[in-house]
Amino acid sequence: ETGVTQTPRHLVMGMTNKKSLKCEQHLGHNAMYWYKQSAKKPLELMFVYNFKEQTENNSVPSRFSPECPNSSHLFLHLHTLQPEDSALYLCASSQGDSYEQYFGPGTRLTVT
Amino acid sequence: AQSVTQPDIHITVSEGASLELRCNYSYGATPYLFWYVQSPGQGLQLLLKYFSGDTLVQGIKGFEAEFKRSQSSFNLRKPSVHWSDAAEYFCAVGRAKTGANNLFFGTGTRLTVIP
Repeated sequence: ETGVTQTPRHLVMGMTNKKSLKCEQHLGHNAMYWYKQSAKKPLELMFVYNFKEQTENNSVPSRFSPECPNSSHLFLHLHTLQPEDSALYLCASSQGDSYEQYFGPGTRLTVT
Repeated sequence: AQSVTQPDIHITVSEGASLELRCNYSYGATPYLFWYVQSPGQGLQLLLKYFSGDTLVQGIKGFEAEFKRSQSSFNLRKPSVHWSDAAEYFCAVGRAKTGANNLFFGTGTRLTVIP
């Protein structure tokens, strides 16, 4: 059972669409993360938020735009994506000074 | 720079057999090390972690891992594998930062369990 939920679980979008991924954590954590998981590659850390402030952006293209309105919610806004952006996008949360990250089930994104 | 290597992409074991998944890390300081498991269609679940102290750490679901500084390794073991252990396993090393602490993951090892 996970305290981190993600919606939608699956998303198919065209290259000209705009969509958003949502993540919500019910664990009282103050840090939230977006990861990209592609086949045969390590998980790629995309963004980190700590107390709603972005603390890390790992050179992610601007077509990915994160938003963290509060410590419980995290969004990833998507626009003009490329086929190579197709992947599983995972959200995670943690207490700020803990390495124990709790993951959501992910959103499987397909860009056509 | 931190890095994690999992040399085995795919391992197949028989149910009831023992298991060892390899992990090697590169890190300039004392590492914080983790093993996560991902079942199909699921997110990652923490199996166990090593911060300091006893180099043999116990985790959930009967897993254990041993930290060997001389070999820069943190291999995951289980004495008797169950069919439900079939999943993908990720080793990770932690990097200390102010505020949120970041993890660097290996590419994963897919475990298949045969009857």
